[in-house]
Amino acid sequence: DTGVSQDPRHKITKRGQNVTFRCDPISEHNRLYWYRQTLGQGPEFLTYFQNEAQLEKSRLLSDRFSAERPKGSFSTLEIQRTEQGDSAMYLCASPLGGDTGELFFGEGSRLTVL
Amino acid sequence: GENVEQHPSTLSVQEGDSAVIKCTYSDSASNYFPWYKQELGKRPQLIIDIRSNVGEKKDQRIAVTLNKTAKHFSLHITETQPEDSAVYFCAASPAGYNYGQNFVFGPGTRLSVLP
Repeated sequence: DTGVSQDPRHKITKRGQNVTFRCDPISEHNRLYWYRQTLGQGPEFLTYFQNEAQLEKSRLLSDRFSAERPKGSFSTLEIQRTEQGDSAMYLCASPLGGDTGELFFGEGSRLTVL
Repeated sequence: GENVEQHPSTLSVQEGDSAVIKCTYSDSASNYFPWYKQELGKRPQLIIDIRSNVGEKKDQRIAVTLNKTAKHFSLHITETQPEDSAVYFCAASPAGYNYGQNFVFGPGTRLSVLP
């Protein structure tokens, strides 16, 4: 595969439930980013991994959020006790690296919290 | 931290006309400025970027200009086509092109190209 895959594409849940999103980045790319995009806004950085190590977390990532990247391949983003304010598109991205700053985004996982 | 503003929030142009979207940034250390296009229901895609050591960059119908003194940069699309209709996001990075964790995106401009 040549892109970033995210699953599920859409998730509707009730407030208080837990949800988990999965990202499969571009194969053999060491870095992986998670961004959040709310309606009418640009993407906002949440966290990033270098291989399996989570190197930085945004202040947007409250204690209810946890991200993992076991074995440095796919990554998961879990939100516990969801709130309506968590409704957003969660985007995963692989930087193409080299001499380009391009972030190759996945199609995103849209979360709706009722 | 960096703050990026973007204007206008919506823009409608006739097919064949030019479109200009402007962004301002606050952190004078920012040195990498990408532009992403996001079609409805699709992922954001890089369309052009510029680094602080150049003032202008062109790629076919798309160009970006950068004014470091005034801390603003602009996207220019000439001979617009209906397929240019999308939301465009500018971004600035004070840490360079290789640090996606430092990208700060603007709120977006919804461009509609009317046939």
